[in-house]
Amino acid sequence: DTAVSQTPKYLVTQMGNDKSIKCEQNLGHDTMYWYKQDSKKFLKIMFSYNNKELIINETVPNRFSPKSPDKAHLNLHINSLELGDSAVYFCASRGGGGYGYTFGSGTRLTVV
Amino acid sequence: SQQGEEDPQALSIQEGENATMNCSYKTSINNLQWYRQNSGRGLVHLILIRSNEREKHSGRLRVTLDTSKKSSSLLITASRAADTASYFCATASGPTGTASKLTFGTGTRLQVTL
Repeated sequence: DTAVSQTPKYLVTQMGNDKSIKCEQNLGHDTMYWYKQDSKKFLKIMFSYNNKELIINETVPNRFSPKSPDKAHLNLHINSLELGDSAVYFCASRGGGGYGYTFGSGTRLTVV
Repeated sequence: SQQGEEDPQALSIQEGENATMNCSYKTSINNLQWYRQNSGRGLVHLILIRSNEREKHSGRLRVTLDTSKKSSSLLITASRAADTASYFCATASGPTGTASKLTFGTGTRLQVTL
C-alpha cells in the first residue's frame, strides 16, 4: 500500500483554468504538507495542516486553497492557473516525535 | 529565503568510493534531516539528527552535525550505482510540534558510475 498517494501524477492545463490535486495518507499521521519544487529542484513549503487545521501558510497566493476534509486527506485547489505555477507539487505527512516526513511521488503540473 | 546551501552541487564518483556532501544553514534548528530523490520521484527520508547530537549512523550512511558552524555532512560509504540520486538536507525549525516546518537545501546531484 502506498503511504502517501497523490493524484493525478501529471496535469497539463491551459492558463486561467482551475485544477485540483488530491492527497491521501494511510499512516495515521496528524500533520500534512504541500511543497512546491521548481525547475531548479528548489523545494519550498506552501502549507501545513494538523488534524484538519491550517498551521502554516507561507505567503502563497490566495489562488491556492488547501482543503483538509479529514486528517488523512489534504487537497490543493488552484484557481486561475498561471505559467509560473508549472512545477512539481509534493504532498507529505509527518507523525509525532520528530520523525522524518513521508512524501508522495509528486504531481507534475504544466501550465500552457 | 532558502535555509540550506549544499556543497557540492554535483558529485560524480565511481562505485565503491565514498561520497561526502555538505550542508550549511543559517538559523537555529530542532533537527536536521537528509532526503534522497531519484529522478522523477518523491523524496525519501534517510536519516534525522537532533540538534543535541553530533554524529549518527544508519547502514552505509554517516551524518555529522556541528551546530556551532551551522553545518552538517552526509557520508555514503562504498557507494553503489543505485545511490545515484539527488540528496537534500532539510532543517526543522520554529516551534516544536505541529508548527515546526522543514526547510530544504539546494541539493547535491550524485552520480555513481560503474
